[in-house]
Amino acid sequence: DGGITQSPKYLFRKEGQNVTLSCEQNLNHDAMYWYRQDPGQGLRLIYYSQIVNDFQKGDIAEGYSVSREKKESFPLTVTSAQKNPTAFYLCASKKKRDRAYNEQFFGPGTRLTVL
Amino acid sequence: SQKIEQNSEALNIQEGKTATLTCNYTNYSPAYLQWYRQDPGRGPVFLLLIRENEKEKRKERLKVTFDTTLKQSLFHITASQPADSATYLCALGGNSGYALNFGKGTSLLVTP
Repeated sequence: DGGITQSPKYLFRKEGQNVTLSCEQNLNHDAMYWYRQDPGQGLRLIYYSQIVNDFQKGDIAEGYSVSREKKESFPLTVTSAQKNPTAFYLCASKKKRDRAYNEQFFGPGTRLTVL
Repeated sequence: SQKIEQNSEALNIQEGKTATLTCNYTNYSPAYLQWYRQDPGRGPVFLLLIRENEKEKRKERLKVTFDTTLKQSLFHITASQPADSATYLCALGGNSGYALNFGKGTSLLVTP
């Protein structure tokens, strides 16, 4: 089955630790995105990548880092510099980076909790 | 600044009725608008897209309207069912890499 997978589903982090969230897609999509969702809030864009080895900051990139070494993978690292990392993290992909109308496909999400 | 507003209060309706959800936006000139469904603890799922030159779009029991003068989209679910209970998000094209700007969503509860 084609789709997007995220792991782990739940993640607990101690303060001061860096953690990496995995996102893999086998849809052969060009563009990938990371969003953060807080209770009662809309999704906010953290980082996006339109092509391998290239990525751009979104609206709330501080305290996060990403890499895009392979087309199918776009991991997100939540660093200790992120002051309030507890949230639901969603990865998404889109077929063509230059087609605005393409729908986005979302993974199942990772819920990160800072202890 | 760009703003997307959806009904903040949950919408409770009876099975069989039509649910109508609202999405208003300001400081935007979107070329398109998308609607997604999100179930608790899961990622959003795409439902419908409507372009700025389209007034209405239908898909099975779903209907979306787009009024660029009022800066508003309405999302209708006809003959609603308890399985339609979820949060519905509207999204407009953002400024970055065709990412989307999402509203906060409206929670819909359909009771038997």
